[in-house]
Amino acid sequence: AQSVTQLDSQVPVFEEAPVELRCNYSSSVSVYLFWYVQYPNQGLQLLLKYLSGSTLVKGINGFEAEFNKSQTSFHLRKPSVHISDTAEYFCAVSDQTKSSYDKVIFGPGTSLSVIP
Amino acid sequence: EAGVVQSPRYKIIEKKQPVAFWCNPISGHNTLYWYLQNLGQGPELLIRYENEEAVDDSQLPKDRFSAERLKGVDSTLKIQPAELGDSAVYLCASSFTNNSPLHFGNGTRLTVT
Repeated sequence: AQSVTQLDSQVPVFEEAPVELRCNYSSSVSVYLFWYVQYPNQGLQLLLKYLSGSTLVKGINGFEAEFNKSQTSFHLRKPSVHISDTAEYFCAVSDQTKSSYDKVIFGPGTSLSVIP
Repeated sequence: EAGVVQSPRYKIIEKKQPVAFWCNPISGHNTLYWYLQNLGQGPELLIRYENEEAVDDSQLPKDRFSAERLKGVDSTLKIQPAELGDSAVYLCASSFTNNSPLHFGNGTRLTVT
C-alpha cells in the first residue's frame, strides 16, 4: 500500500527567505506525485505534478519540486517566499498502474507560515 | 469557468440527526469525488463517480453514509445518523476524466454536537 510522509507539520519562515517542504513516499510500484496547496477555508489547488520525464518539476507561484526515486522523495521548494504563500501544503501520490488521478493518497500536510 | 460549488459551507447538527451535503461540479466534468478531511490531516477519498456510476466506494462507511449522483451531474452526500466523530470538512472535487487534474470545492465544515 502507498503512504506519504510529510516530516514537518509546521514550517515558519521569514518573508523573502527560501523554503523547502519535505515529502517522502512509499510504494511497491512506480508512482505519480503531486503537491497541492490549501488556503484557509478553501479547497485544494494543484501546485505541480510529476508524471514522467524531467525529475525537476516547475509549478505555479514560483514553486518547484524534485523527484528523487532512490530516496523516494518529492520535496517542494521556493527560493523566496511571500506573505501570500502562507497556507497548508499537501504532498500526494498515485499508482502508475492506474490512471494518474484514480486513487490519490494525500499526506498529512505541512503548515507554512510566512513571517513579515 | 465556474468552479466546483458546495453547499452549505458550514453545518452544525446534534448527534443522531441526518445531514446532507450538495456538490455541483464544473460543467462537463464526468468524474466526481467526495473526500473527508479531518482537522490537521490530508483528504481521504470516500467515493468516486464516473458519470452516474460509483466506481470506487470502498472507503465509504455504508452503514451511515450514502451518496448519489443523479443524471451524472450534481451529487449529494448524506449521513444518517451523524456521530460526533463525523465532525470534519467534506470536500467535493471534479475532473474532466479520471486522468485529468482534480478541481476542489471549498468544502462543507460539519460540526456534530
